[in-house]
Amino acid sequence: SQKIEQNSEALNIQEGKTATLTCNYTNYSPAYLQWYRQDPGRGPVFLLLIRENEKEKRKERLKVTFDTTLKQSLFHITASQPADSATYLCALPLSGGSYIPTFGRGTSLIVHP
Amino acid sequence: EAQVTQNPRYLITVTGKKLTVTCSQNMNHEYMSWYRQDPGLGLRQIYYSMNVEVTDKGDVPEGYKVSRKEKRNFPLILESPSPNQTSLYFCASSGLGLAGAVGELFFGEGSRLTVL
Repeated sequence: SQKIEQNSEALNIQEGKTATLTCNYTNYSPAYLQWYRQDPGRGPVFLLLIRENEKEKRKERLKVTFDTTLKQSLFHITASQPADSATYLCALPLSGGSYIPTFGRGTSLIVHP
Repeated sequence: EAQVTQNPRYLITVTGKKLTVTCSQNMNHEYMSWYRQDPGLGLRQIYYSMNVEVTDKGDVPEGYKVSRKEKRNFPLILESPSPNQTSLYFCASSGLGLAGAVGELFFGEGSRLTVL
């Protein structure tokens, strides 16, 4: 079945390091992929969208890559800060002809001072 | 300020007592959607709407109803709530891009529902 995989284990890193989160998907090749940040008990907040014809996208300290051959997106936060601690969700359409995103379960990032 | 507003934010109710969670957006978005979020299961889509009077089931629609009579409002109705509907609910909206692609989703603050 089609699905999205994000590491369920929390990622612990030291302040100042680069955090790298992974989003893998199976079967379908999506037209785009989105990344969101979610703080506990709050609604997700959109961060970045990358399209299938884009290899990489950047926004301030954030960088997203999209490898349609590997069916994988990597989400990087450089010079991480404790305020970056949150759960990060990827979302993408999972079926042909659909442009409605399905969410992965998210990976928790904890940045230690 | 662009926002999605949900009400109530917190609700405790009893099995079988009908309730409605309201959702309103002020961005003139065509697309609106309801999700529930449970520990370990992530965000699961309940229903969505591509425009006024156009609604469709998501992944977990059982026990829920929706309506889209106006573009800005998308209420979620639980006709006969049961304890397995205890969850954190989110409403979201988005404009539609080329070929009807859903763009950046704007989420409400969430509604925490407990059904006893």
